[in-house]
Amino acid sequence: DAKTTQPTSMDCAEGRAANLPCNHSTISGNEYVYWYRQIHSQGPQYIIHGLKNNETNEMASLIITEDRKSSTLILPHATLRDTAVYYCIVRVLSSGSARQLTFGSGTQLTVLP
Amino acid sequence: GAGVSQSPRYKVAKRGQDVALRCDPISGHVSLFWYQQALGQGPEFLTYFQNEAQLDKSGLPSDRFFAERPEGSVSTLKIQRTQQEDSAVYLCASSSPGQTYEQYFGPGTRLTVT
Repeated sequence: DAKTTQPTSMDCAEGRAANLPCNHSTISGNEYVYWYRQIHSQGPQYIIHGLKNNETNEMASLIITEDRKSSTLILPHATLRDTAVYYCIVRVLSSGSARQLTFGSGTQLTVLP
Repeated sequence: GAGVSQSPRYKVAKRGQDVALRCDPISGHVSLFWYQQALGQGPEFLTYFQNEAQLDKSGLPSDRFFAERPEGSVSTLKIQRTQQEDSAVYLCASSSPGQTYEQYFGPGTRLTVT
């Protein structure tokens, strides 16, 4: 699985958009970009994933650059409950058998009141 | 519906003791993963089950670590002769065949070895 690089920490004002970047310059054509987050004292939680098109769900939007070497997770209206460590993960999507997730150190997002 | 549950939530063991950590995955989930998370780090893969078969145990740090899932549902991670470096949060995750992109995590068991 390709390696990812994320900033160690970021702050965001409550109600504003939080934009979390991730670099994955060695990504392969069949690798997807996944985002998980981990709120303090909880297990990681799936947010969103994508291959090359931008994706949106009820939690967030994922913007992937055309060359696929970087992506941005957008939380459109951050709340205090969005304070968490956000992990960007690149992996192959295999349907035959599941594969483990390879987590880096992630970005600690702190939403400020 | 019920998510992944783990027990105990907290465990304190004296160095040299054996411990057993339990994971109850979401009903019907075929795949089950164990991860270890040291303080301030991201989770690291330990082992993976598909039903009762342990298909990958490449992440187990030593032969003191053993995992089983005898009936393809509940899983137990056992650590023998615990050492201080085993202190960590142990996370269990499960996924279903139709959702290979998403793993559902339990709250973890925090193990402290004194």
